[in-house]
Amino acid sequence: ELKVEQNPLFLSMQEGKNYTIYCNYSTTSDRLYWYRQDPGKSLESLFVLLSNGAVKQEGRLMASLDTKARLSTLHITAAVHDLSATYFCAVAYLNDYKLSFGAGTTVTVRA
Amino acid sequence: GAGVSQTPSNKVTEKGKYVELRCDPISGHTALYWYRQSLGQGPEFLIYFQGTGAADDSGLPNDRFFAVRPEGSVSTLKIQRTERGDSAVYLCASSRATNTEAFFGQGTRLTVV
Repeated sequence: ELKVEQNPLFLSMQEGKNYTIYCNYSTTSDRLYWYRQDPGKSLESLFVLLSNGAVKQEGRLMASLDTKARLSTLHITAAVHDLSATYFCAVAYLNDYKLSFGAGTTVTVRA
Repeated sequence: GAGVSQTPSNKVTEKGKYVELRCDPISGHTALYWYRQSLGQGPEFLIYFQGTGAADDSGLPNDRFFAVRPEGSVSTLKIQRTERGDSAVYLCASSRATNTEAFFGQGTRLTVV
């Protein structure tokens, strides 16, 4: 069974500071996704990472993937209030369609 | 619409009743997935359709749960004899093909009282 662990589960951020969310997974995967979920809303795809060393950036968010360490990070630069949300990583086995999700990291950005 | 559409957005039902949850995937997407998200958790896989057939229903928790996709487009998740533990958000997703990026609907929040 593919296990996905995120930490921290809760993250209180101060505006303007930098933070990192970690996602570890248990077995070989070829696809890793980061999603954002606002309260009462569905999952919004942020990044798809497909290969070792992949790095993607969008605005204040940057995601990277180390398949050897089975680790992905989501780095937030200079946090702002509108980044408050729950962030999920999700991983698929090689050639599988099922996504296994982490428990999510609830981010709150305070002034 | 351009995205995955789920109806109803909220459903409150009494314990023991039958419910149906509907999913309209993105046009042209052949793969369709149902996930269940309990409070404070990540979504968990329930069932996967490729076309009209359920290719993998290994995530369905028990035989009270069933899903269909008769024409390869709209899917319905059916829950019989609902229990309070079935309360969750049921998410539907679709993708252009298997192993390509899935796009999620807004979910149906099911509350069993």
